[in-house]
Amino acid sequence: SQTIHQWPATLVQPVGSPLSLECTVEGTSNPNLYWYRQAAGRGLQLLFYSVGIGQISSEVPQNLSASRPQDRQFILSSKKLLLSDSGFYLCAWTGLAVTDTQYFGPGTRLTVL
Amino acid sequence: SQQGEEDPQALSIQEGENATMNCSYKTSINNLQWYRQNSGRGLVHLILIRSNEREKHSGRLRVTLDTSKKSSSLLITASRAADTASYFCATALGSGGSYIPTFGRGTSLIVHP
Repeated sequence: SQTIHQWPATLVQPVGSPLSLECTVEGTSNPNLYWYRQAAGRGLQLLFYSVGIGQISSEVPQNLSASRPQDRQFILSSKKLLLSDSGFYLCAWTGLAVTDTQYFGPGTRLTVL
Repeated sequence: SQQGEEDPQALSIQEGENATMNCSYKTSINNLQWYRQNSGRGLVHLILIRSNEREKHSGRLRVTLDTSKKSSSLLITASRAADTASYFCATALGSGGSYIPTFGRGTSLIVHP
């Protein structure tokens, strides 16, 4: 069966510090991968998606970046965090099946102080 | 944008009652999906309905889709305290490699025991 992992689960970082969040998927190959951010009490904002290794599409211009160094690994990074980067970050994947169902990781709660 | 918007934003009911949530979107879609999110957790897929379908059932869940009105509803029958969560609809025009869903802000459901 497929599983998706995210770490860390929680993170408290000072403004201006770097960020690296990792997402890995097991049990499938060539997934589409997505990074979302969710502000408190709000919906999901799509940040990046990837259809293959090294292929990254950005949906929202900001100080975040994403990379996909391996087929089932998706990394969200920042060189200098802003207060507005605080939120709940979710990674998700879909297969190439017709159903297009997204499977989400447990999320990372990021607080920038 | 074909953003889905859920209505109401919040719903509070007693255990055993039915809960109905609505989703409206703006443009043509390939499919519409409903997800559930427990507080502080990732989203869990509930049900998918395609643009050529009008109604689907899954256990205590019933989803309808009216493409002429660009709206969908999620009905949870005989609600339980464990149904307390936020519910999101996600719409997408593409599929497979071009599946880019858009989520609404969600309906927060509280079921009182």
